[in-house]
Amino acid sequence: EVQLLESGGVLVQPGGSLRLSCAASGFSFSNFAMNWVRQAPGKGLEWVSSIDGSGGRTYYADSVKGRFTFSRDNSKNTVYLQMNSLRAEDTATYYCAKDRRASGSGFGFELDYWGQGTLVTVSS
Amino acid sequence: EIVMTQSPATLSVSPGERATLSCRASQSVNSGLAWYQQKPGQAPRLLIYGASTRATGIPPRFSGSGSGTDFTLTISGLQSEDFAIYYCHQYSDWPLTFGGGTKVEIK
Repeated sequence: EVQLLESGGVLVQPGGSLRLSCAASGFSFSNFAMNWVRQAPGKGLEWVSSIDGSGGRTYYADSVKGRFTFSRDNSKNTVYLQMNSLRAEDTATYYCAKDRRASGSGFGFELDYWGQGTLVTVSS
Repeated sequence: EIVMTQSPATLSVSPGERATLSCRASQSVNSGLAWYQQKPGQAPRLLIYGASTRATGIPPRFSGSGSGTDFTLTISGLQSEDFAIYYCHQYSDWPLTFGGGTKVEIK
């Protein structure tokens, strides 16, 4: 059974930093790209970032580029989102989600499994 | 950036009726289009990918159609558990983008 478990969400002050983690199980982790998608309270879904199976390629939304870094440790079946220079508008539930397709011919496809999310609140 | 526009924002439907949800892309996404269902307090669930392929375990009352810029999600014979918010998502090009969602509510 595929499971994705996010952690690390807390209340942080503007300008602060935070690292989210997502521990995966139930699939061949290094074969699949992973993604972060966020949802501000009462709002829709916003893609944040994607990373390929090896961790060698990443893409970011313009809203987080230069502030967030997406990485993975395939030996621990875990992905990380390092979030720096946090702003009030980064307040959201952050979901990690798995690409449905194995990353043989690219990545950033439909997302077939999602974690339950971790809430990040940026406020003074 | 490809902008995804969903309509209507809210759809009121009686149980047992059909719901038709629309999603329009600002430029062609070919068949790189997925639909998700989200219920309050839950993570999104993949319903449809490739514009028309049902994901594993999704009942046949959910169907997707379209290609290019115009897409439709149809839910035939709405059941109580189908009242939720539905999002479309294009993965044809970076950045990945989502529509604003359509809330399907009980009439």
